[in-house]
Amino acid sequence: EIVLTQSPATLSLSPGERATLSCRASQSVSSYLAWYQQKPGQAPRLLIYDASNRATGIPARFSGSGSGTDFTLTISSLEPEDFAVYYCQQRGNQLTFGGGTKVEIK
Amino acid sequence: QVQLVESGGGVVQPGGSLRLSCAASGFTFSTYGMHWVRQAPGKGLEWVAFLRYDGSNKYYADSVKGRFTISRDNSKNTLYLQMNSLRAEDTAVYYCAKDPKGFGETYYFDYWGQGTLVTVSS
Repeated sequence: EIVLTQSPATLSLSPGERATLSCRASQSVSSYLAWYQQKPGQAPRLLIYDASNRATGIPARFSGSGSGTDFTLTISSLEPEDFAVYYCQQRGNQLTFGGGTKVEIK
Repeated sequence: QVQLVESGGGVVQPGGSLRLSCAASGFTFSTYGMHWVRQAPGKGLEWVAFLRYDGSNKYYADSVKGRFTISRDNSKNTLYLQMNSLRAEDTAVYYCAKDPKGFGETYYFDYWGQGTLVTVSS
């Protein structure tokens, strides 16, 4: 099973700041990685797939990069609605998620 | 618009069984693979199972293999999860989720239901 490790666990930032979230895989997943956003009491929402492709309707301030074992989700300028938990997910033979990064208001 | 509505959750004793349903609308259900994903209270996400659009391939997480069965009825636009031999660690909100690719699979999740809570407790 491929283990995904997200860091940091919590990111404290102010609106307008840049957020950089990391996801590291225990072995290469090529570019087969997605990012999801989850707000309290809601289902997750797909943001990025195949490491760098924005899903339908996702604002351009969200971008993804990386390949192999190291991936990054960047939010260029945080909006109030972006404070949430973010998960990465890989699609190997057993689909797995990272433990999540909480982006909270500083 | 795409809608996924789960039902069937509740409280069940350890060793018991439960069947979850997911009613789909707003897309051609019979052409998309479907998943179940769960989330224990206050915890992260865990993929549970996948079923191909035509029912030809099924995959399960090791944690549920041999106990859970995913199925679908394309004539009713409904996905199911039969859960047997339930354990305390199966307590979670169970989401059904749609795969983005028609007549294929990407193993990502582009639409999710709101989830149904399963509690395994004596």
